[in-house]
Amino acid sequence: ELKVEQNPLFLSMQEGKNYTIYCNYSTTSDRLYWYRQDPGKSLESLFVLLSNGAVKQEGRLMASLDTKARLSTLHITAAVHDLSATYFCAVGPTGANNLFFGTGTRLTVIP
Amino acid sequence: DTEVTQTPKHLVMGMTNKKSLKCEQHMGHRAMYWYKQKAKKPPELMFVYSYEKLSINESVPSRFSPECPNSSLLNLHLHALQPEDSALYLCASTLGLAVYNEQFFGPGTRLTVL
Repeated sequence: ELKVEQNPLFLSMQEGKNYTIYCNYSTTSDRLYWYRQDPGKSLESLFVLLSNGAVKQEGRLMASLDTKARLSTLHITAAVHDLSATYFCAVGPTGANNLFFGTGTRLTVIP
Repeated sequence: DTEVTQTPKHLVMGMTNKKSLKCEQHMGHRAMYWYKQKAKKPPELMFVYSYEKLSINESVPSRFSPECPNSSLLNLHLHALQPEDSALYLCASTLGLAVYNEQFFGPGTRLTVL
């Protein structure tokens, strides 16, 4: 059974600080997605990572993928309050069409 | 038009009711998905349709019945639900079933079963 684990599950950080969220998965995959979800809202696509070594950046967020280690990271630089949300990674097993979501990381940025 | 719409936004129903959730997209996507998300949990895949045909059914109870009348529309018919079925139901679409396609999510329908 495919497992997608994120850590930490909860993250409270001060504005201006840096931190990294980790996403580990248990099967071969050649694509990984990061989503943001605000309370009571739908999922907003942040990054699509399709190859080993892929790195993408948007504003204060940067995502990377290491398919050999089965690991993706979401790095937050100089956090601001607006980044407070739950972040999910989602993994697509090689050759399969469905996605498996990680456990989610609830991020709270404190002023 | 680059969005997925869902109606209704909120739905409260009794265990004997029959209701339907609706999802629509006009992006020319040919694959559509239903997910269920319980509070503080990740989304779980329920069904996948590709070119209006059911492609994946993740062992969902028969009280949930999906329907894809055309390439733009996806319904989820609900009958004899249980209180534990209360959740946020998310619809998503992709260009096709090719594995690299990004999923676009709708705003969801928050369902409460009394």
